[in-house]
Amino acid sequence: GDSVTQMEGPVTLSEEAFLTINCTYTATGYPSLFWYVQYPGEGLQLLLKATKADDKGSNKGFEATYRKETTSFHLEKGSVQVSDSAVYFCALSGYGNKLVFGAGTILRVKS
Amino acid sequence: DAMVIQNPRYQVTQFGKPVTLSCSQTLNHNVMYWYQQKSSQAPKLLFHYYDKDFNNEADTPDNFQSRRPNTSFCFLDIRSPGLGDAAMYLCATSRENMDPALQYFGPGTRLTVL
Repeated sequence: GDSVTQMEGPVTLSEEAFLTINCTYTATGYPSLFWYVQYPGEGLQLLLKATKADDKGSNKGFEATYRKETTSFHLEKGSVQVSDSAVYFCALSGYGNKLVFGAGTILRVKS
Repeated sequence: DAMVIQNPRYQVTQFGKPVTLSCSQTLNHNVMYWYQQKSSQAPKLLFHYYDKDFNNEADTPDNFQSRRPNTSFCFLDIRSPGLGDAAMYLCATSRENMDPALQYFGPGTRLTVL
């Protein structure tokens, strides 16, 4: 079945450091790919998405490119802030448009 | 602002005492979802509605039920909560004829079972 694998956390960075959170997927067909962010005590918010191969999703300085050849959708940001501390979930739209989530990666940014 | 609202944000119940969580939306989306998220885990889909059509996930326990009286509201009923049901419960919506895979989440209800 469809699945998403994310790098384990927590990831701890200093402010202004470069961020990469790896995400790979297994799916039949050509799913849409998403990154959701969850701030402490809150629900999930869509961060960015990509719907086909080579698409780049971007928002708030975060980027991810849909790589069909490597089945990956890694999240990157050039300069993180303390306010970026949250849990990041990679997800794909599977059968019936249901979201399949990765386990989540905790990001902690220190000032 | 159009949004997904969940009430209450925090719910405490006793072992075996039925509890109902509610979700409302002003987005006029026809699809509504309920997820269970345990600590440090990914959200797990319990069931969803396409309009009034109920779709249960195969591994959702019978202890979990849902009602959708109209487009705007959806309820999650836990008939006899166990300690293992303590979790964050997330409601989400999407619109089938726009981008059905794009879901909008509410803030969640954190359920504690004593």
